[in-house]
Amino acid sequence: GQQLNQSPQSMFIQEGEDVSMNCTSSSIFNTWLWYKQDPGEGPVLLIALYKAGELTSNGRLTAQFGITRKDSFLNISASIPSDVGIYFCAGKDGSGNTGKLIFGQGTTLQVKP
Amino acid sequence: DAGVTQSPTHLIKTRGQQVTLRCSPKSGHDTVSWYQQALGQGPQFIFQYYEEEERQRGNFPDRFSGHQFPNYSSELNVNALLLGDSALYLCASSARQGARGVLTFGAGSRLTVL
Repeated sequence: GQQLNQSPQSMFIQEGEDVSMNCTSSSIFNTWLWYKQDPGEGPVLLIALYKAGELTSNGRLTAQFGITRKDSFLNISASIPSDVGIYFCAGKDGSGNTGKLIFGQGTTLQVKP
Repeated sequence: DAGVTQSPTHLIKTRGQQVTLRCSPKSGHDTVSWYQQALGQGPQFIFQYYEEEERQRGNFPDRFSGHQFPNYSSELNVNALLLGDSALYLCASSARQGARGVLTFGAGSRLTVL
């Protein structure tokens, strides 16, 4: 079945540093999404990407949809303590169905003040 | 504007029992999807309901079943519970048209099977 490989598994960084994480797939996706999950909460959407090569920003976050449609990356600039959490990539195929997303295993981010 | 609400937040069951989890979608959303999130893993798609019918199903046995009501709320039922069913069960809602994969998740129901 479809699988997403997300790396790194965890990161421990100093406040103010930039962060980069990525996600690769064995299959092509037509949509890539990045979600963040805080403890005791459900995932919250950060960025959605719909076109190969697309680069989208949301504040200090920037994500790109890979040209091959098999990968995506997320960058966080000038990290702050509230960036702590688990970041998930998710891919959606072109079936038109809105609910079935394939999630990566997550990248746990810890920020040291 | 209330987001996605789920109940109960936590519950403990024993092997062989049955459980029902409930979800109310975000206002304006008509589609509900259920996900299972094991500890340390990403969410895994169970199934999706739209217009009171199961529209798509992930790789889960038929011990997992669901229902959607006319007000768009939904239930997830799991029969003959196994230890491996212990997980966080997430409900996500979306608008069928134009959502393009964007889901709003609830905080989840944490199920522990002993």
